[in-house]
Amino acid sequence: GQQLNQSPQSMFIQEGEDVSMNCTSSSIFNTWLWYKQDPGEGPVLLIALYKAGELTSNGRLTAQFGITRKDSFLNISASIPSDVGIYFCAGLHARDMRFGAGTRLTVKP
Amino acid sequence: GAVVSQHPSRVICKSGTSVKIECRSLDFQATTMFWYRQFPKQSLMLMATSNEGSKATYEQGVEKDKFLINHASLTLSTLTVTSAHPEDSSFYICSAPAETGEKLFFGSGTQLSVL
Repeated sequence: GQQLNQSPQSMFIQEGEDVSMNCTSSSIFNTWLWYKQDPGEGPVLLIALYKAGELTSNGRLTAQFGITRKDSFLNISASIPSDVGIYFCAGLHARDMRFGAGTRLTVKP
Repeated sequence: GAVVSQHPSRVICKSGTSVKIECRSLDFQATTMFWYRQFPKQSLMLMATSNEGSKATYEQGVEKDKFLINHASLTLSTLTVTSAHPEDSSFYICSAPAETGEKLFFGSGTQLSVL
């Protein structure tokens, strides 16, 4: 199915730096989900957002559900080496689930 | 939280053989499950939607006879790659939505290598 527009595609940052990535869509979603995938593993749910404008944190991760319901962002503060991986956004409306292409994060110690 | 178990995690097979991958929802029921294929450094590609008690729905370009899906119970869906060829080598992942439908949980994936 059609994918969401996720950016950036990749990021190379220094340990301790903050990271921001976002997803946009031309369609409205009722739920935004953010996942992290480690190599050779399935995606693991990080944060789920259910209301427009909602801001939710999970440790050093913060995500927001855009007011227009067409976008979402994920921030990671004070990055550490284990943050390395691919981060995917997903939008859900009824039974329609769409994914971003992923943001590949590399953290240099 | 809800867990989706996928087995095997890795399989190596000879060309021409068939491989079955299982996806189980461990503590919830899933009338629908999804199967994805992922190439290195790429995103998830939805292959098909598995429906309990009825036929699977395949995405455009996915061969139904090549990738057989069976959803025999509310907690188990299987994907069988028939007559596997080297080009079928890939990472296959299943997922199942929570019963509320508001979250999607993924299996740990299966790395298939066809020699």
